[in-house]
Amino acid sequence: SQQGEEDPQALSIQEGENATMNCSYKTSINNLQWYRQNSGRGLVHLILIRSNEREKHSGRLRVTLDTSKKSSSLLITASRAADTASYFCATGPSRGGATNKLIFGTGTLLAVQP
Amino acid sequence: NAGVTQTPKFQVLKTGQSMTLQCAQDMNHNSMYWYRQDPGMGLRLIYYSASEGTTDKGEVPNGYNVSRLNKREFSLRLESAAPSQTSVYFCASSLQGAWGIQYFGAGTRLSVL
Repeated sequence: SQQGEEDPQALSIQEGENATMNCSYKTSINNLQWYRQNSGRGLVHLILIRSNEREKHSGRLRVTLDTSKKSSSLLITASRAADTASYFCATGPSRGGATNKLIFGTGTLLAVQP
Repeated sequence: NAGVTQTPKFQVLKTGQSMTLQCAQDMNHNSMYWYRQDPGMGLRLIYYSASEGTTDKGEVPNGYNVSRLNKREFSLRLESAAPSQTSVYFCASSLQGAWGIQYFGAGTRLSVL
C-alpha cells in the first residue's frame, strides 16, 4: 500500500511558469523526501525535509511540510523544459517505527512545454 | 565514483527461467534496497537489507530471493520467472536507511515472455 499520494497525477505547463505538486501521507514521519525521475532513468534525490521543519529551499525548489495535515508540496519556480520528469514523494517512518524503509507515492508527471 | 551500479541493463527471459540481478554500491552505505516499478504503480519495495548480514521482506517479496553478499553487493534472484514479473527493477542504497537520502541505480528492464 502507498503511504504518499501525489496530486495531480499529471501536470502540463509552459516554460517559465511555476509548477506545484502535492503529497499526502497517512502515518507519522521522521522525514519526507522528493525525488525526480527522468524518462528511462533512476530516481534522483531533490530535497529532504524533516518533521520538525516547515519549509525548505534548494535553488528553484521550495518544499513545505504540514504535519498537522499530513501533507507536503513541492514548488518548482521558473520551470524549464529540462524539468520535464516524474516527481515522487517518499516518507521515512518516525523513530520507533518498525521499518527502515522509505515508502514512495505514485508520482506526478510534469511536462514543461517550450 | 560510480555510485550504485546495476547489471544487466536489459534482460528478456522465458517463463520459468531463472536469473540474478546484480547491484553494487561504492559509497560504504549500510542499507540497500530492491524496488520494482510498474506503470501507474510508483515504486514498490521487494526486499531490503538494513545492514550487512540482514535482509527483510518489503511490500511485494513473492517470487524473489535476495542475498546481501557483503556490504557492497545486494543481489535479487528470480527462481522461476513469470510474466507478472515483467517490470523495471531498481536498486538503491542509503547511509541512514529511511532517515537519509537513497541513491538509485539506472535500473534493469526485464521482460518475461
